[in-house]
Amino acid sequence: EPEVTQTPSHQVTQMGQEVILRCVPISNHLYFYWYRQILGQKVEFLVSFYNNEISEKSEIFDDQFSVERPDGSNFTLKIRSTKLEDSAMYFCASSEWASGYNEQFFGPGTRLTVL
Amino acid sequence: KNQVEQSPQSLIILEGKNCTLQCNYTVSPFSNLRWYKQDTGRGPVSLTIMTFSENTKSNGRYTATLDADTKQSSLHITASQLSDSASYICVVSQRGTDKLIFGTGTRLQVFP
Repeated sequence: EPEVTQTPSHQVTQMGQEVILRCVPISNHLYFYWYRQILGQKVEFLVSFYNNEISEKSEIFDDQFSVERPDGSNFTLKIRSTKLEDSAMYFCASSEWASGYNEQFFGPGTRLTVL
Repeated sequence: KNQVEQSPQSLIILEGKNCTLQCNYTVSPFSNLRWYKQDTGRGPVSLTIMTFSENTKSNGRYTATLDADTKQSSLHITASQLSDSASYICVVSQRGTDKLIFGTGTRLQVFP
């Protein structure tokens, strides 16, 4: 069964460093998303991406964040200068169509720890 | 403010027993409501998706209900199994946006 994959599973970085989190969405999906979950808190929407551009972003997704689909399979989230409060689980998701009634399939997540 | 609230926060039941989890939402305009299961350290997995016009939807031992008038939903788990131990998250989609609005989840533990 096709699934969303994410690498690495755990990333430890120093405050101020850049990190890139990688995702491989399900191959025939066209819509991609990033969410984050701070330990003990709700999952929060960060950004949605379609047709090589951001379609929607939350207030969390400031200038320190960027997303890219560098090739036909990968979808990345870059944090330019990490802060302690960026420590969280980051989930990538993909869907065949726009969210609406369409199911979003989530990856296993990348745990980011900022020291 | 668009919010999704769940109760109880946590629940312990014995294997084989049934349980019901509750969800209230204030998301508007409403598009659909989903229940996800999230194992510790893993991504959420969809159990059911319901639109405004659907009152009940089942997926195996999971049955979700939706009352769009009172903005309430429930997830009923029948004949619980040890593998049902997880967080169950109520998620609402707002019409006209891509984002999903997540509740805080109910942490279910099933003991033998």
